[in-house]
Amino acid sequence: KAGVTQTPRYLIKTRGQQVTLSCSPISGHRSVSWYQQTPGQGLQFLFEYFSETQRNKGNFPGRFSGRQFSNSRSEMNVSTLELGDSALYLCASSHEVTGSGTEAFFGQGTRLTVV
Amino acid sequence: AQSVSQHNHHVILSEAASLELGCNYSYGGTVNLFWYVQYPGQHLQLLLKYFSGDPLVKGIKGFEAEFIKSKFSFNLRKPSVQWSDTAEYFCAVISGGYNKLIFGAGTRLAVHP
Repeated sequence: KAGVTQTPRYLIKTRGQQVTLSCSPISGHRSVSWYQQTPGQGLQFLFEYFSETQRNKGNFPGRFSGRQFSNSRSEMNVSTLELGDSALYLCASSHEVTGSGTEAFFGQGTRLTVV
Repeated sequence: AQSVSQHNHHVILSEAASLELGCNYSYGGTVNLFWYVQYPGQHLQLLLKYFSGDPLVKGIKGFEAEFIKSKFSFNLRKPSVQWSDTAEYFCAVISGGYNKLIFGAGTRLAVHP
């Protein structure tokens, strides 16, 4: 069974640009969450999607957005990039049935560097 | 706001030493608790989880954790560490349903042969 796949693995962007990151969850998983990992702030929750609907959102500015497609694949977008957006962006998928928390499986992440 | 505290940021041990990493969370309701590990260059992997039932949870690679509700704690233990346990360990909690994981700051463990 394939794991969570994130593309691209590495990305270098210039301040002010926008970027789109992609995540393919484990087959059958309908919940996809995104996290930002930095040395200073650690792992922080960005948002979660379930069946194409955003169910939960973290404390990030509106420049951070996401969406989920009918096949459960998800994308996150960051507009007007700032140097502080440099981070490892992690995607996690869960096979959730009941609405309660279940185990999340993480991808390798996308390392975004903003210069 | 919910929060997770990991008491040790860096731990250095010799092989065969015992390990205990502290984790406390702030939420008082029903919680799901997790320990994840991130080996160098690898993705986050689940070590163990607690949803309900026996508060002593056994995970992979000989790790275990004990949920103590009265202390809001979920400490990770291993009786004898190996060099291959060198990694960063994260405690996390989900409360209120859905899949929003709140992570602790992480503990970097270095095991010397």
